Amino acid sequence: EAGVAQSPRYKIIEKRQSVAFWCNPISGHATLYWYQQILGQGPKLLIQFQNNGVVDDSQLPKDRFSAERLKGVDSTLKIQPAKLEDSAVYLCASSFWQGDAYEQYFGPGTRLTVT
Amino acid sequence: AQSVSQHNHHVILSEAASLELGCNYSYGGTVNLFWYVQYPGQHLQLLLKYFSGDPLVKGIKGFEAEFIKSKFSFNLRKPSVQWSDTAEYFCAVEDTDKLIFGTGTRLQVFP
Repeated sequence: EAGVAQSPRYKIIEKRQSVAFWCNPISGHATLYWYQQILGQGPKLLIQFQNNGVVDDSQLPKDRFSAERLKGVDSTLKIQPAKLEDSAVYLCASSFWQGDAYEQYFGPGTRLTVT
Repeated sequence: AQSVSQHNHHVILSEAASLELGCNYSYGGTVNLFWYVQYPGQHLQLLLKYFSGDPLVKGIKGFEAEFIKSKFSFNLRKPSVQWSDTAEYFCAVEDTDKLIFGTGTRLQVFP
């Protein structure tokens, strides 16, 4: 089966500019996640969708970050305006219920550099 | 909320050496535990998982992990590492349908 797709793979922008990332989850996976992975740290959840509804966005800096999941499939994550500390890899994951837990599948990530 | 500690930040081994990477989570109850691996230039992949049952779980590529409830631990082991095991390893615990990751352990294996 096809995996989680993300684009672009790399992005370099200047601070105060805006940027958007796109994610296409595995077909049939109802739950979609966006994680931020800063160099030297583990991934940190930003937002979780169930179909097209938000389940958890408690870690999303809502003054500059926004995310949507259109029609419960693809998702976009936007940063506006970007700050230097937003430099990180942004990972998208999707999951399905395995009967006793969710198993998440990760995309390749988008590496964002803010200069 | 749950937290995950990985005590080894950087491990350097020679091929054929044995590996054990530590992972502790912060509180008990029913937990689902995972080890993910990220090879250079590749995306995070599931190495193994523990949901319930036998506390010794086997994963891909000869890896195994042992869940010790009394110690809140889920250490990763491999009896004999290969150069191709060079990667970053992340322990994670599931907390209300989301994963809480540790900071990762970078493993370098030299021939």
